[in-house]
Amino acid sequence: GQQLNQSPQSMFIQEGEDVSMNCTSSSIFNTWLWYKQDPGEGPVLLIALYKAGELTSNGRLTAQFGITRKDSFLNISASIPSDVGIYFCAGLPNTGTASKLTFGTGTRLQVTL
Amino acid sequence: DTEVTQTPKHLVMGMTNKKSLKCEQHMGHRAMYWYKQKAKKPPELMFVYSYEKLSINESVPSRFSPECPNSSLLNLHLHALQPEDSALYLCASSQQFVPGALYGYTFGSGTRLTVV
Repeated sequence: GQQLNQSPQSMFIQEGEDVSMNCTSSSIFNTWLWYKQDPGEGPVLLIALYKAGELTSNGRLTAQFGITRKDSFLNISASIPSDVGIYFCAGLPNTGTASKLTFGTGTRLQVTL
Repeated sequence: DTEVTQTPKHLVMGMTNKKSLKCEQHMGHRAMYWYKQKAKKPPELMFVYSYEKLSINESVPSRFSPECPNSSLLNLHLHALQPEDSALYLCASSQQFVPGALYGYTFGSGTRLTVV
């Protein structure tokens, strides 16, 4: 199935550093979601973006919905050890009753002390 | 209640066994989903139910049989699986977007399935 291009594939950073990752698509999406997944657990929704150009924050996380509707960015400021995990972007064609999520390939984040 | 609950958390089954995975949500979401996730890969959609009716089947082999008995429950019946079917099976639910409300597309913790 279709996947979104997500980069970087993995990151090794020190505690306190800022993190940026992005997701690009050849198709337009009307909603972008960002999830974090810990080992052996399901993805947990971090941020949802509904409008092109929208910038939304959730604590130390900030995400943007690209103007072209074909990309999205996630920034994490002042990383801490519990930020470790896999981050997935996901695009939705619509937010009707039932919608198929298209996932990015994931960014694996490791934080060292 | 803002959770999707999946049982069991772990399952080991033989290739001739019949087993079922269960999923439950009480958020009033009218869409429910099964996703399959292999190690180090993103989740892949298997089935979508909308208002208790199957709306999408992503060409999943018939050895996987979904069932939606009511708006809160979703089952995945397994029969004659292969070792390559071993994966994390995730259930999710979602609601229609309502302006001003936080959109919910919520995943359960998954069932780790091993086929031996």
